[in-house]
Amino acid sequence: AQTVTQSQPEMSVQEAETVTLSCTYDTSESDYYLFWYKQPPSRQMILVIRQEAYKQQNATENRFSVNFQKAAKSFSLKISDSQLGDAAMYFCAYRTLYNTDKLIFGTGTRLQVFP
Amino acid sequence: DAGITQSPRHKVTETGTPVTLRCHQTENHRYMYWYRQDPGHGLRLIHYSYGVKDTDKGEVSDGYSVSRSKTEDFLLTLESATSSQTSVYFCAIREPRDRGLDTGELFFGEGSRLTVL
Repeated sequence: AQTVTQSQPEMSVQEAETVTLSCTYDTSESDYYLFWYKQPPSRQMILVIRQEAYKQQNATENRFSVNFQKAAKSFSLKISDSQLGDAAMYFCAYRTLYNTDKLIFGTGTRLQVFP
Repeated sequence: DAGITQSPRHKVTETGTPVTLRCHQTENHRYMYWYRQDPGHGLRLIHYSYGVKDTDKGEVSDGYSVSRSKTEDFLLTLESATSSQTSVYFCAIREPRDRGLDTGELFFGEGSRLTVL
């Protein structure tokens, strides 16, 4: 069974600085999706960035980028020029493309942003 | 806005009472999911549906049942609520891969907070 591990329960960053959130996963599959979701205090789950496993190029969305290391099964999220609005819970998620296409989540990292 | 509505958004109930949470979508997506979110556990899959009247269990399905009589509605029922079912419940939807419309991501509702006393 696939598992997703986020080893940092909490992280903090100064406004305008850069922070990296870690995520590792375990799978025997070769094709899958990886995601980072953001959950602000409003509770809404917001997709930050997605990565298809067959793509070697790291995904980027404005200030958000990932470092996808397929062989190491690592999928970290880098937030550049951090803003107060980035404060939230961040969840790493793995989606299998076989059987039930389920989305499997890590336990989350709470990011605090200080002015 | 993915067109997903959960109701009720907040509910307090007593142990042993039945509870039904409703997820309604306007996107005509075939796949629908119920997750629960608890501190230290992230989101865990309870049940999912891949079409009308087609449902299956997730990793934490004990104590829950679901029904899907029409594409747009997916109901989660706690037949006899227990305090361990106090949680935030999320509904999610997506398109299947074989329709060529799958973007990979799930779209989530705003969550329903359930407290069982």
